[in-house]
Amino acid sequence: GAGVSQSPSNKVTEKGKDVELRCDPISGHTALYWYRQSLGQGLEFLIYFQGNSAPDKSGLPSDRFSAERTGGSVSTLTIQRTQQEDSAVYLCASSSTSGLEQFFGPGTRLTVL
Amino acid sequence: ILNVEQSPQSLHVQEGDSTNFTCSFPSSNFYALHWYRWETAKSPEALFVMTLNGDEKKKGRISATLNTKEGYSYLYIKGSQPEDSATYLCAFGSNAGKSTFGDGTTLTVKP
Repeated sequence: GAGVSQSPSNKVTEKGKDVELRCDPISGHTALYWYRQSLGQGLEFLIYFQGNSAPDKSGLPSDRFSAERTGGSVSTLTIQRTQQEDSAVYLCASSSTSGLEQFFGPGTRLTVL
Repeated sequence: ILNVEQSPQSLHVQEGDSTNFTCSFPSSNFYALHWYRWETAKSPEALFVMTLNGDEKKKGRISATLNTKEGYSYLYIKGSQPEDSATYLCAFGSNAGKSTFGDGTTLTVKP
């Protein structure tokens, strides 16, 4: 596609449920990033992929968070046993190589009740 | 751990004022320095990418400079307008791996 797409755009879930967030990067982009923005906060780095591997997972807040990328393209961020503090906008970005400009998707707004 | 710092954290100016922000980054393994504009309820959008020491970029009333040897970049806004209100993020692109964002400078321009 022309840009980075994310789905769903909005997700409301109950505490304790698992959720999956999807990111479709720009075709051909090898680097993919996940970030989140909690209410009133800045951009928080979660995980970075180069191809299908994740050389930097340092931003994942707990072992309830995991992410994978397949075929060097689509990525899924999974949050298990969601908590209210997981409520945030989750942003995905891709770039053609690691150090270059990142193009952001529209985000997924996650609300955990 | 890469340290990318932005200052000030927030800034309130009157319409018509000129202003500037700073981004400091490691001086080693430099690949590129990016500035992004992030408006409320939107996703960050790239303003500038700079790769060479001494680079200067300009887009309308906004310009940026780069000093890779000392590890800093300045973003300038001339004659601020209310529509310039946003968070301005810089990102350090390393030739050793991923890009790292600073925490941003939030600009509020009062009419």
